[in-house]
Amino acid sequence: DGGITQSPKYLFRKEGQNVTLSCEQNLNHDAMYWYRQDPGQGLRLIYYSQIVNDFQKGDIAEGYSVSREKKESFPLTVTSAQKNPTAFYLCASSITGTMNTEAFFGQGTRLTVV
Amino acid sequence: RKEVEQDPGPFNVPEGATVAFNCTYSNSASQSFFWYRQDCRKEPKLLMSVYSSGNEDGRFTAQLNRASQYISLLIRDSKLSDSATYLCAVNRGDDYKLSFGAGTTVTVRA
Repeated sequence: DGGITQSPKYLFRKEGQNVTLSCEQNLNHDAMYWYRQDPGQGLRLIYYSQIVNDFQKGDIAEGYSVSREKKESFPLTVTSAQKNPTAFYLCASSITGTMNTEAFFGQGTRLTVV
Repeated sequence: RKEVEQDPGPFNVPEGATVAFNCTYSNSASQSFFWYRQDCRKEPKLLMSVYSSGNEDGRFTAQLNRASQYISLLIRDSKLSDSATYLCAVNRGDDYKLSFGAGTTVTVRA
């Protein structure tokens, strides 16, 4: 089945640790995104990538890093510089080249700082 | 002003009722509009795209009002299974990236 897979589903991080969230898609989409969702808030864009080996900061990139070495993969690292990392993280992908293109989401990773 | 704003609700309606709510957007150059459904602690899933002429999918009707810069979603004959949070998404002008509203919560009661 085609889709986006995020892992792990739940992740616990100690203060000062870096953690990496995995996102893999087999939809052959060029564009991939990372969003963060806090309770009662909309999705906020962290990073996005249109093509392999290229990515751009979104609205709240501070304290996060990404890589795009393969078309299928777009991992997100939450660094110790992110002061309030507890949130629901959603990875998405879409085709590019056309405006009316929806984003497809993975199941999300719920990160908690302990 | 936020790029995309929604009435958070909650809209609490009985089964069989009609419920409607709007989403306003600030960028007049936006071209793509979507409604997503998000169940508690799950990922958003596309409910429907919103076209200029308006579109319908079963009990769901979406409308676009470019002059007033809002989109709407109407749910007819509400079912218990329609209980969810509905997110609107709008692209950022000439950019394909989507901005999302905070969502409107709908609860359908028996």
